Amino acid sequence: QLQLQESGPGLVKPSETLSLTCTVSGGSISSSGYYWGWIRQPPGKGLEWIGTIYYSGSTYHNPSLKSRVTISVDTSKNQFSLKLSSVTATDTAVYYCARLDRVVVAGSFDYWGQGTLVTVSS
Amino acid sequence: QSALTQPASVSGSPGQSITISCTGISSDVGDYKYVSWYQQHPGKVPKLMIYDVSNRPSGVSNRFSGSKSGSTASLTISGLQAEDEANYFCCSYIRSSRYVIFGGGTKLTVL
Repeated sequence: QLQLQESGPGLVKPSETLSLTCTVSGGSISSSGYYWGWIRQPPGKGLEWIGTIYYSGSTYHNPSLKSRVTISVDTSKNQFSLKLSSVTATDTAVYYCARLDRVVVAGSFDYWGQGTLVTVSS
Repeated sequence: QSALTQPASVSGSPGQSITISCTGISSDVGDYKYVSWYQQHPGKVPKLMIYDVSNRPSGVSNRFSGSKSGSTASLTISGLQAEDEANYFCCSYIRSSRYVIFGGGTKLTVL
């Protein structure tokens, strides 16, 4: 059974960089059949797509976040990562990593991590 | 940026059917088969319920169905059960900017 697990600091100071890693188990991130993505959800609010990556390193980002977002992949560790720079309180959210069900950015997110709450506060 | 609009809330009694709409500005939803729906219970992880407008993943009840007409996609839940009470989010794709967008979410209350 495929499992995804987010990890990283739960508290980040304003203006600093948020860094999260998603570890994939039960399957290979290098599989040619899937994209991998990050989604976030501010407390009490809706879902927001952050970006998507393929094992080759090709990435797609939310235009509203693009200049602050870096998504990378480490196939040797079966992980992909998110960095979000210059964070503010509005970046406080539960961050999810997820698998897309095909090699299409428009694919559906069929497996999700449990999510990790990141709070931006001094 | 474009937006997908959902009603903030819908409600229904056990056994009834409800429909949640997802309306897209321009042709976000209208041009594509790439519409998906997610169910999220409070404090839980979103769960894929419908993909490609009307397909159900394995294990999802056939009480859940999806459709699309023009620029509006819909999720219908028939035979409402108490366990269906949750938030539901639609999701689609803007081809021009390769941008994935979620609707604002609809809270379903089972009376």
